[in-house]
This record gives sequence, C-alpha cells and structure tokens, in this order.
Amino acid sequence: KAGVTQTPRYLIKTRGQQVTLSCSPISGHRSVSWYQQTPGQGLQFLFEYFSETQRNKGNFPGRFSGRQFSNSRSEMNVSTLELGDSALYLCASSLERDTEAFFGQGTRLTVV
Amino acid sequence: AQKVTQAQTEISVVEKEDVTLDCVYETRDTTYYLFWYKQPPSGELVFLIRRNSFDEQNEISGRYSWNFQKSTSSFNFTITASQVVDSAVYFCALSEARTSGTYKYIFGTGTRLKVLA
Repeated sequence: KAGVTQTPRYLIKTRGQQVTLSCSPISGHRSVSWYQQTPGQGLQFLFEYFSETQRNKGNFPGRFSGRQFSNSRSEMNVSTLELGDSALYLCASSLERDTEAFFGQGTRLTVV
Repeated sequence: AQKVTQAQTEISVVEKEDVTLDCVYETRDTTYYLFWYKQPPSGELVFLIRRNSFDEQNEISGRYSWNFQKSTSSFNFTITASQVVDSAVYFCALSEARTSGTYKYIFGTGTRLKVLA
C-alpha cells in the first residue's frame, strides 16, 4: 500500500513568489492535514481538510491556503513568499478524523 | 490550553543501553489521544503508537514500551537495548476530540536520540 506522497521534495523560491505543494494521501484516507516544521517553532499545524472541506486552521496568515479535491488529494499554496516561510512542510493523512495520521516525507522549501 | 512538553532536548546513549523519553501533556478535554512519532534524517514522521485517554494500559512492542499515567499527565517512551538505528528525533503529540469534531495534533519540541556504537 503506497504511503503519503508529497511533491516536490525540494523547492527553492525567491521572496515575493508563490508556491504550490501537493499531497497524495494513502488510498481511502479522507482526512489530510498540513504542518510546518522549522528549527525555531517546531511542528505547527496549518490546516486540516476532510471530504473537501477545511475543518480547522492554525494561526498562520492568509497567505497560506489550501484545498482538497474529490479524490482526497490536497494542495497548499503560499503566496508572497517571505524568508521566514523556509521550512519543511509535512502532509499527513488519516482514515478518519480521530485515527492516527501517517506523514509524507515532506517538501523542503527554501526562500531566498 | 493544550500543551506537550518534552523536556529532554537531546539524549546520547551507548548501544544496548535502555533509554526513556519523557512526555508531559496538558489538556482540559476528558477525551484525547496521545501519539509518539519518530523522525529519521529523511524527514518523514513515522507513526509509533496511539493511545486514547481511557486506556491507561501500558504497551510493549518489541524493544519499545510506553507508560501512560493520567495522574501525572505523562506518556513516556522507553527503548530497551537501544540500537544505532534508533537514532532519530522523537515527537510526542496530543490530539483532542472536541465536540465540534475538529482536531489537530499539538506536538512537543522533540527529543533527539543519539545511539553510539
């Protein structure tokens, strides 16, 4: 059974640009969550989607957005990139909303 | 407010030693879930265990064991006879089952375990 797949694995962007990250959950999983991991702030919750609806959002500015498609695949978008957005972005999927989440390998974003 | 504290930033042990990683949590909910994840250098968070707040039974899985004590709000993780492959960052996390049905993981800051050969 394939795990959570995130693409791309690495990304370098310039300040002011926008970026879209993709996440394909484990087959059959309907809940997808996104987390940002930085050395200073650790792992922080960005948002959670369930059946194409955003059900929860973390304390991030509106530049961070996401969506989930009918096949449960999810994308997150960051507009007007700032240096501080450099981080490992992790996607997690779970079967239901209160079961364990399985994480992808992440997308490492570097903003220069 | 919910919070997870992993006071040990980094631990170094020699192979075959036992090691315990501490996790203390805070929550106002009566129904919640606790997790441990392992993050090797590749970056992926590997699921190790999930425990709900009504199940205080300790669990053993091979060389891994977990001790859940609601009285002290702790969910500690012990690796017996550690191996070099156990070297990683370990995260403890809390998820609350709120009545609204929304949930998210609150992670601790992680404990970096180094197992020396």
